[in-house]
Amino acid sequence: QSALTQPASVSGSPGQSIAISCTGTSSDVGGYDHVSWYQHHPGKAPKLIIYDVAKRPSGVSNRFSGSKSGNTASLTLSGLLPEDEADYYCCSYVGGNTFVFGGGTKLTVL
Amino acid sequence: EVQLVESGGGLVQPGGSLRLSCAVSGLTFSGYWMNWVRQAPGKGLEWVANIKQDGSEINYGDSVKGRFTISRDNVKKSVFLQMNKLRAEDTAVYYCASWGADGPFDYWGQGTLVTVSS
Repeated sequence: QSALTQPASVSGSPGQSIAISCTGTSSDVGGYDHVSWYQHHPGKAPKLIIYDVAKRPSGVSNRFSGSKSGNTASLTLSGLLPEDEADYYCCSYVGGNTFVFGGGTKLTVL
Repeated sequence: EVQLVESGGGLVQPGGSLRLSCAVSGLTFSGYWMNWVRQAPGKGLEWVANIKQDGSEINYGDSVKGRFTISRDNVKKSVFLQMNKLRAEDTAVYYCASWGADGPFDYWGQGTLVTVSS
């Protein structure tokens, strides 16, 4: 199973909105509504921020939103804050209770 | 408070073995699938393996199949990863993560570093 494709980096200024794409195939992203997103500050534990394409766990800011169209999922982060600077990973269910992650995207808040 | 604490990482020679442990508290351990996920230096996250609540189903990523074995002890609220025939490319921080109602990998540990080198 090949890793999902994410841009290596994105950037934005405080207060702006950014979007991170996650492209797979009909066997993963396109085949299931089970795409999740994780925020990872290096040296810390990753944090679940979106699951099942667009659902937010309790306690996660509503500045994070998710969507999907065909084989591509997207994470949108609005009202950028300095603390949003982190690595972001998408993940898709691929059947048989197995998963594949994206390569990760480094978000820089300018 | 939910806590997942990994241990057992370290330096091991190629071809060697290592056993990782993950102790879980603050959630009903026997009600969760458990996963291992790793991150090689400078690389992204990679799903490694998971195990069903009662251990009746186990799955592995292609890169570790036949070399790694996941297991769990619901009494001790712990999940384990036995890693054999280790290769340099297995060098990574290994995280355990639960799969709960909020989706996969809802809680994570801080990770334990495994370095495979001679």
